[in-house]
Amino acid sequence: DAGITQSPRHKVTETGTPVTLRCHQTENHRYMYWYRQDPGHGLRLIHYSYGVKDTDKGEVSDGYSVSRSKTEDFLLTLESATSSQTSVYFCATSQHRADTQYFGPGTRLTVL
Amino acid sequence: SQQGEEDPQALSIQEGENATMNCSYKTSINNLQWYRQNSGRGLVHLILIRSNEREKHSGRLRVTLDTSKKSSSLLITASRAADTASYFCATVAGFGNEKLTFGTGTRLTIIP
Repeated sequence: DAGITQSPRHKVTETGTPVTLRCHQTENHRYMYWYRQDPGHGLRLIHYSYGVKDTDKGEVSDGYSVSRSKTEDFLLTLESATSSQTSVYFCATSQHRADTQYFGPGTRLTVL
Repeated sequence: SQQGEEDPQALSIQEGENATMNCSYKTSINNLQWYRQNSGRGLVHLILIRSNEREKHSGRLRVTLDTSKKSSSLLITASRAADTASYFCATVAGFGNEKLTFGTGTRLTIIP
């Protein structure tokens, strides 16, 4: 499996505070993705990146921004967290377009 | 919106029996992928089947794809307690697309 780490693994924060989640990979994969997983919804794509500084929106991008300044790091920022953003967030990478994705262990975020 | 929908939502079988899960999708696809998720963990890729393929095998796993019916099935033979997990299908719609769209999953429980 690709070496994918996510930090932090757990976070509790308050409504209105900014939050940044980090995804780090050691496999030099071109594509990186952020998903959220909620009961009854499966995984939904938030944002993805197809190269350094190249990002695009997914299905549920409102309230989220991303940045990728290096191949190995993909940051997800909640500018002002809301309770509806309480979720488990997964990062994934893939080497090629439309290819197998490798997932990180997830970050459980609770917004009070 | 969900591209893939798994059926059934939950399945319980005795160890040693075969488990079959189905996935239906709405639009034409480049490929369809199956993933497993153990409780509290990230997703793990199982099999990728391309739109021009009808069947693929990997160990005790068999995946079929019927593009005329826009459906796929995952068969796990001789199930084991360790197969207890949630299983997700995910599709890459069309061509030139980097994004996977996940279904809501089937929760499989193997009873020892």
